[in-house]
Amino acid sequence: EVRLVESGGGLVQPGGSLRLSCAASGFTFRGYGMSWVRQAPGKGLEWISAISGDGGSTSDSVKGRFTISRDNSKNTGFLQMNSLRAEDTAIYFCARMNSALGNAFDIWGQGTMVTVSS
Amino acid sequence: QSVLTQPPSASGTPGQRVTISCSGSSSNIGSNYVYWYQHLPGTAPKLLIYRNNQRPSGVPDRFSGSKSGTSASLDISGLRSEDEADYYCAAWDDSFSLWVFGGGTKLTVL
Repeated sequence: EVRLVESGGGLVQPGGSLRLSCAASGFTFRGYGMSWVRQAPGKGLEWISAISGDGGSTSDSVKGRFTISRDNSKNTGFLQMNSLRAEDTAIYFCARMNSALGNAFDIWGQGTMVTVSS
Repeated sequence: QSVLTQPPSASGTPGQRVTISCSGSSSNIGSNYVYWYQHLPGTAPKLLIYRNNQRPSGVPDRFSGSKSGTSASLDISGLRSEDEADYYCAAWDDSFSLWVFGGGTKLTVL
C-alpha cells in the first residue's frame, strides 16, 4: 500500500523549533518529489515547501525559517521549523509529487498537528 | 486572501450537478495546469483532477475539470452524500515561484 505518515508535531513555545518527519512506504521514494502543505485552524490549504526526488532542488514559501530535506536511504522526508510563531499553528501534511501527473500531489498523509503557544 | 479565488460554499441535492469555480491570473491558471483536491476534515486530502481535466485512476467520472483563460471549474454530476467535503483548486504561480491554492469551497449535499 502506498502510504505517507507524518510525525513530530506537538506543542511548542513561540520562538521554538520542531522537526517534522514524513515516512513513505509502498513506492520508490527517491523517484518522487515531496511537498509540505499546511492548514491553519478554520483556514484553507497553504503550500510550504517542495524538494525533488534526489534532494538537489528545493523551493519554499516560508523563507529562512523552514527547511525541507530528505533521506532517501530511510524513505523519509523532513521539515525543520525554526523561530516558530503563533500563526504557524496548523495541521502539516506531506504529499507526494507525481511528475507523471504534472507534479500533482497525488498521495497525502493524514497530517500532524503543530501548536505554537506559550 | 488566497491567490486563487473560489466561492466559500456550494450546495446541491442528491443527483444534481454542481459547479465550483476557481479564478486566478496570467501567472498561475493562465499559464499553468490546474489541479483539484477533495478534503474531508480529519483525513488526507485526495487528488481529483490533474492537468486541468485528467482524472487519476479510481476517481469517478462524475468529477470533471475544465479551464479557460485564467479561470477553471470543477463539475460534479450525480451528486452523492459522500461528496460533501471541502474542494480546493491549485496551480503553480510563475510570479511567486510557488504553488498556490484557492481558499476552498465547502460543498453541502442537502
